[in-house]
Amino acid sequence: GAGVSQSPSNKVTEKGKDVELRCDPISGHTALYWYRQRLGQGLEFLIYFQGNSAPDKSGLPSDRFSAERTGESVSTLTIQRTQQEDSAVYLCASSLASRTRGYTFGSGTRLTVV
Amino acid sequence: GDSVTQMEGPVTLSEEAFLTINCTYTATGYPSLFWYVQYPGEGLQLLLKATKADDKGSNKGFEATYRKETTSFHLEKGSVQVSDSAVYFCALMGNAGNMLTFGGGTRLMVKP
Repeated sequence: GAGVSQSPSNKVTEKGKDVELRCDPISGHTALYWYRQRLGQGLEFLIYFQGNSAPDKSGLPSDRFSAERTGESVSTLTIQRTQQEDSAVYLCASSLASRTRGYTFGSGTRLTVV
Repeated sequence: GDSVTQMEGPVTLSEEAFLTINCTYTATGYPSLFWYVQYPGEGLQLLLKATKADDKGSNKGFEATYRKETTSFHLEKGSVQVSDSAVYFCALMGNAGNMLTFGGGTRLMVKP
């Protein structure tokens, strides 16, 4: 597609429920990233996929968080047993493997845990 | 490791004022440098970039010059508008070319 697409754009869930967030990257972008942005704060790196290599999961805050990506296409970020502190905007970005290109971000999924 | 430090906000200016948002970095070698902007309720958009020393990135009246000697990439605009109100993020991509390191963001508020 023309841009990075994320769905849903908004999600309200009850504490303890599982949620799944979806990211559809730009076609041909080999790298895909997930970030979390809490209200009024900066970007917190979560996980990075590059082609068929093992993902860099070093930013995942707990074992309740996991992500998958099939090849160079769609990725899903799953949060199990959601907690109120998980409330944030979850941003996905994709890029070519180039140090001069930067990322293209999606519009994010705003997750609210009540 | 790589790091980016930018001035804390919020920065509040009147329309047509001059803007500077400071950004300094720590990295080995010659990183690429970026400014991203996040308008209210939206995702991050690439504003401008510079990929080697002394390059000047520019877009929408904003400019930033890659200064290797001071490891800085300060964002400037000569005359801000209300529509420039947003959060601005400075970022670098190191020699490995696979991960952006972001600063904490600076909120700009422009009043009419």
